[in-house]
Amino acid sequence: DAKTTQPNSMESNEEEPVHLPCNHSTISGTDYIHWYRQLPSQGPEYVIHGLTSNVNNRMASLAIAEDRKSSTLILHRATLRDAAVYYCILTRTNQGGKLIFGQGTELSVKP
Amino acid sequence: NAGVTQTPKFQVLKTGQSMTLQCAQDMNHEYMSWYRQDPGMGLRLIHYSVGAGITDQGEVPNGYNVSRSTTEDFPLRLLSAAPSQTSVYFCASSNLDGGGNQPQHFGDGTRLSIL
Repeated sequence: DAKTTQPNSMESNEEEPVHLPCNHSTISGTDYIHWYRQLPSQGPEYVIHGLTSNVNNRMASLAIAEDRKSSTLILHRATLRDAAVYYCILTRTNQGGKLIFGQGTELSVKP
Repeated sequence: NAGVTQTPKFQVLKTGQSMTLQCAQDMNHEYMSWYRQDPGMGLRLIHYSVGAGITDQGEVPNGYNVSRSTTEDFPLRLLSAAPSQTSVYFCASSNLDGGGNQPQHFGDGTRLSIL
């Protein structure tokens, strides 16, 4: 399984943008890059995913490097509710819905 | 829309007891899976299913059984509970396009303590 590397923790101030990095140097051509987040005492929540092009949705933006060896999840204006553990996960074509979770990045948001 | 529903939310068992964790989804998803999450760690895949009658093992299947008789339900069975199985259990479901291009939907979890 392709491995991802994320910082253990990050801090942000409320209403400022947050850039959460993820390295995935062993990514293969058909791997999708998924981001999930887990708020305290809740199940993981899908945030965004992409293959090659940058992606935007109501929650966040995903910027994917041209060589696909890294990506960045962008929260445009952090709120206190965005404090969570963020997981960057690769999904493989031949493995259907399998998610292999790493340690993730714990994001704290200061008022 | 209920999404993924897990029951019970909390359970305390004694070592050696058996129980079934229930998971149901109302989105007609082919793919369902079970994960466990231990304190301070990410989720680990226990078992998964790509459709009714089809199940397979994940990373940590020992001590757990599953079956999938309907599209909607995917119960997880502990036949003889052990303290090492104390954890939070999450069920997830998704469409299955074979390409990893589908978001997973997770339940709220079952918090299981085994004494």
